Amino acid sequence: QKEVEQNSGPLSVPEGAIASLNCTYSDRGSQSFFWYRQYSGKSPELIMFIYSNGDKEDGRFTAQLNKASQYVSLLIRDSQPSDSATYLCAVREDTGRRALTFGSGTRLQVQP
Amino acid sequence: EPEVTQTPSHQVTQMGQEVILRCVPISNHLYFYWYRQILGQKVEFLVSFYNNEISEKSEIFDDQFSVERPDGSNFTLKIRSTKLEDSAMYFCASSETYRDLRAFFGQGTRLTVV
Repeated sequence: QKEVEQNSGPLSVPEGAIASLNCTYSDRGSQSFFWYRQYSGKSPELIMFIYSNGDKEDGRFTAQLNKASQYVSLLIRDSQPSDSATYLCAVREDTGRRALTFGSGTRLQVQP
Repeated sequence: EPEVTQTPSHQVTQMGQEVILRCVPISNHLYFYWYRQILGQKVEFLVSFYNNEISEKSEIFDDQFSVERPDGSNFTLKIRSTKLEDSAMYFCASSETYRDLRAFFGQGTRLTVV
């Protein structure tokens, strides 16, 4: 059973701080990694994706991937109350497959 | 900005009935997916569809489920003989090309089986 693990939280950070969200995955053949944001009762919204080891930055968001450690993280700089949501890590397992395996998500609370 | 559209937003059905959930993927996208999320649980992959046929399916996607692209714009999920445990949010998603792996989700249909 291929697993994607996330701490359920809640992760509470003050407004303006850096929020760090982590995800580990079990399948070494995993190729692609996605971060989705999900507000309560809403659908997943894609915010970042990363394929290669290292960092990828997009605005206030930075995704970090370490395939050797099977670890992917999302940093949110200058956290805003509107960032309060559940952040889902999703992994695409291997070439040729398109199905995403999701983690259970980390709930982020940004305190004003 | 183009988006995936799903109808209805909420469907209530009696156990044993058939339901059809509808989706209009983003217009130039070629890959279509159904996922579901039972309340409080993970988002789970059901099926992917490309070139008018199923390309992948999960263990959840058994004979009770079927998908169809009846015309150039709609993509449907049919659930036959619904059970209480089919109650969930069903999300349609689409992605543009083989090389673009980003999947964009619709707003979901909440299915309640009573």
